[in-house]
Amino acid sequence: EAGVTQSPTHLIKTRGQQVTLRCSPISGHTSVYWYQQALGLGLQFLLWYDEGEERNRGNFPPRFSGRQFPNYSSELNVNALELEDSALYLCASSRQTGNTIYFGEGSWLTVV
Amino acid sequence: GQQVMQIPQYQHVQEGEDFTTYCNSSTTLSNIQWYKQRPGGHPVFLIQLVKSGEVKKQKRLTFQFGEAKKNSSLHITATQTTDVGTYFCAGRSGTYKYIFGTGTRLKVLA
Repeated sequence: EAGVTQSPTHLIKTRGQQVTLRCSPISGHTSVYWYQQALGLGLQFLLWYDEGEERNRGNFPPRFSGRQFPNYSSELNVNALELEDSALYLCASSRQTGNTIYFGEGSWLTVV
Repeated sequence: GQQVMQIPQYQHVQEGEDFTTYCNSSTTLSNIQWYKQRPGGHPVFLIQLVKSGEVKKQKRLTFQFGEAKKNSSLHITATQTTDVGTYFCAGRSGTYKYIFGTGTRLKVLA
């Protein structure tokens, strides 16, 4: 069974640009979570999608947004990139809300 | 809002020594999970604790959930170099959103 897959694995953007990160959950999982992990810091919750709807979001500005598609895959969009957006963005999925979440390998974003 | 604090932030131990990291929540948790993140990698699920006072073991790792379900600990006996990484706890209460601790970075000196 394939795990959570994320793309791209690495990317470099310049300040002010926009980026889209993609995530495919484990087959059968309907919940997708996005986390940001800045260098040396803990995981910060970004967004949670379940059954196509946004269920919760963390303390991030509106330029962080996303969506979940009917096949439960998800996108994270970040507009007007800032230097401090440089981080590892992790996607995780779970079968149902409250169950164990499984992480992808992440997308490393560097903003220059 | 709910906060999950983890201590210590960093720990260096000699190989063979024991290691413990503690996780404390400002609110009662319905469950707590522990993750390990190797350097350069992504967090990997280790275990979930649900019951008050629960203790679970995985080889040299012992996990405990406090009686009040507001704290938890991870203890590693006789550390090995393969134990290197950052250990995160993640607690859930009510909203189905997991709040992660800041992590404890473990370095094992051979």
